[in-house]
Amino acid sequence: AQSVTQLDSHVSVSEGTPVLLRCNYSSSYSPSLFWYVQHPNKGLQLLLKYTSAATLVKGINGFEAEFKKSETSFHLTKPSAHMSDAAEYFCVVSERGNKLVFGAGTILRVKS
Amino acid sequence: GAVVSQHPSRVICKSGTSVKIECRSLDFQATTMFWYRQFPKQSLMLMATSNEGSKATYEQGVEKDKFLINHASLTLSTLTVTSAHPEDSSFYICSASTWRGGYNEQFFGPGTRLTVL
Repeated sequence: AQSVTQLDSHVSVSEGTPVLLRCNYSSSYSPSLFWYVQHPNKGLQLLLKYTSAATLVKGINGFEAEFKKSETSFHLTKPSAHMSDAAEYFCVVSERGNKLVFGAGTILRVKS
Repeated sequence: GAVVSQHPSRVICKSGTSVKIECRSLDFQATTMFWYRQFPKQSLMLMATSNEGSKATYEQGVEKDKFLINHASLTLSTLTVTSAHPEDSSFYICSASTWRGGYNEQFFGPGTRLTVL
């Protein structure tokens, strides 16, 4: 079975500084990997996805993630945090047959 | 495009009653819809996969007689929590999938917060 581990439950950064949200996965097959963001009282929004094409994936709002098979990692980064980035972020792996397996989530706090 | 709605957004009910939650894909047809449950401070857990015109496939540990899923059309799936109890209080999220960018992408609804008194 596939699984996802998000290494930090909470991350706090200052506005304008880099963001790093860490994710490791376990998969028996070539995985598809995603990052979703969930703002309070809003639905999940897809930030970016990896589906076996380029290993460096660029998403919306300046986020990007790099698929590293040797490290089984798919960390999310952003060069400069904005106050509006404060939210909960989920790393997700897709099993065969379209099912998504979610990580536990990382709450990002951005300090002014 | 690819908007998914859920109704109601919040519901409070008494223990023992049944509650129906609707999930609609507004601008696309979805052959497959998914229902998730999210407890406070926890991640989303898949409850069931729903295909239009067929019976839902439930994840291990999810009672199919308690969580009734109907997927009557390509744009509507419903989740009915039967004889709800306080432990069923949770945030229920649906998603609808459609082929986009070379794979089946899931689009999520805003969720329904159920509180059982």
